Formats: sequence, structure tokens, C-alpha cells
Amino acid sequence: SQQGEEDPQALSIQEGENATMNCSYKTSINNLQWYRQNSGRGLVHLILIRSNEREKHSGRLRVTLDTSKKSSSLLITASRAADTASYFCATDGDSNYQLIWGAGTKLIIKP
Amino acid sequence: NAGVMQNPRHLVRRRGQEARLRCSPMKGHSHVYWYRQLPEEGLKFMVYLQKENIIDESGMPKERFSAEFPKEGPSILRIQQVVRGDSAAYFCASSPQVGSNQPQHFGDGTRLSIL
Repeated sequence: SQQGEEDPQALSIQEGENATMNCSYKTSINNLQWYRQNSGRGLVHLILIRSNEREKHSGRLRVTLDTSKKSSSLLITASRAADTASYFCATDGDSNYQLIWGAGTKLIIKP
Repeated sequence: NAGVMQNPRHLVRRRGQEARLRCSPMKGHSHVYWYRQLPEEGLKFMVYLQKENIIDESGMPKERFSAEFPKEGPSILRIQQVVRGDSAAYFCASSPQVGSNQPQHFGDGTRLSIL
């Protein structure tokens, strides 16, 4: 069964605006990762947050983690057309290597 | 440093034929993972291999599917007697070490179409 579920399923915003995507999961985790997938391509790792961390930044990306609510959010600030992609969260559950993926949020940035 | 290379990018097979998907991990990576993705869905774990060993194949159907990662050469995902339901994108990822704190590096996938 799906561990992570992202919402919204799709998000369309104007260039320059901020985009927020959410991920909820069911079981306890050690780590949560966010990936980006451009159309027809493989996934690219964006950021990893550990269960004992609450917030992490990388450039225009900000990830938060709330283990009490079993949820994470990915914020992309000052969006660009090149940010158009699908974004996935992946959790580890009780596995040391098996990642469990949500269905993704499809982000469209309008120029 | 080349990334994860998968070939072919597109593969068309007729029902009953065999499909062979290849994956060369990043240099120095000995851990390989295969995933399957249906349109508009996330990835589903299939199998995890470390050089010459299958560590976990719990996500792979027991019949018709097999995987290997030989000492020399790429990892191979093999699907025998393909059926329409095997149509999907198959992704390979690699990492230098095992651990859920390790980012996985992905190839661009093989899109398998069954006629």
C-alpha cells in the first residue's frame, strides 16, 4: 500500500509565486526524501530530512517535517518555468533501503 | 562521471515475447534498485541487488520476472512471456552504500509497450 500520499495531485501557479506541496505517510520513519521528475525522465533527488529534524533548506527549497502528524511539506519559493515537474516524497518505513513512494504532485509553472 | 544509464529507452514487444532491460549504475555504486511506474502514479519497488546478489525481490512477481547484477556488466531485469499488463516505465536507481539515508540516483527509465 502507499506509504506517502502527496497533495494536491496537481498545482498550477504563476511564475514567481511560491508552491507548496504536502506529503502524508502512515507508519513511523527514519528519513523522508523529496524527488523531482521531469516529463519522460528519471527522478532527481532534491532533499532528505531525518526524523529528528523539523526543517531543512536547500536553495529555493524548504522542507518541513512533522512526525506527530506524519506529514511533510515542500515549499519552492520564487518559482520558475523550469520547476515544472512532478514532485514525489519517499519514506523508508521500517526498511533500511526500500523506499515507498506517493503518487506525486504535478506542478505547472505558467510564464 | 556518467549517471545511471538505462537502455533501451523504449522497448516494444508482442505478447509472449521476452523483454530485457539493462541498467549500468553510477561508477562506484554497488547497490541497484529496480522500480516500476504506471502513468500518473508513483514508483513501486521491485527488487534490490548488490553485486552478484539479490537482496530483496519481494516487490517482483515470482513468475516471469527475474533480475541479476553480475560481477561484470550491467544489471538486467528480464520479463518472460510478456503480457499487456507489463506495459509501464521501469526505472533503475543506484547508490554507493545501502541505507534509507542514502539518496538514490536514477536512470531515465525504459518505457515498455506490449502490443
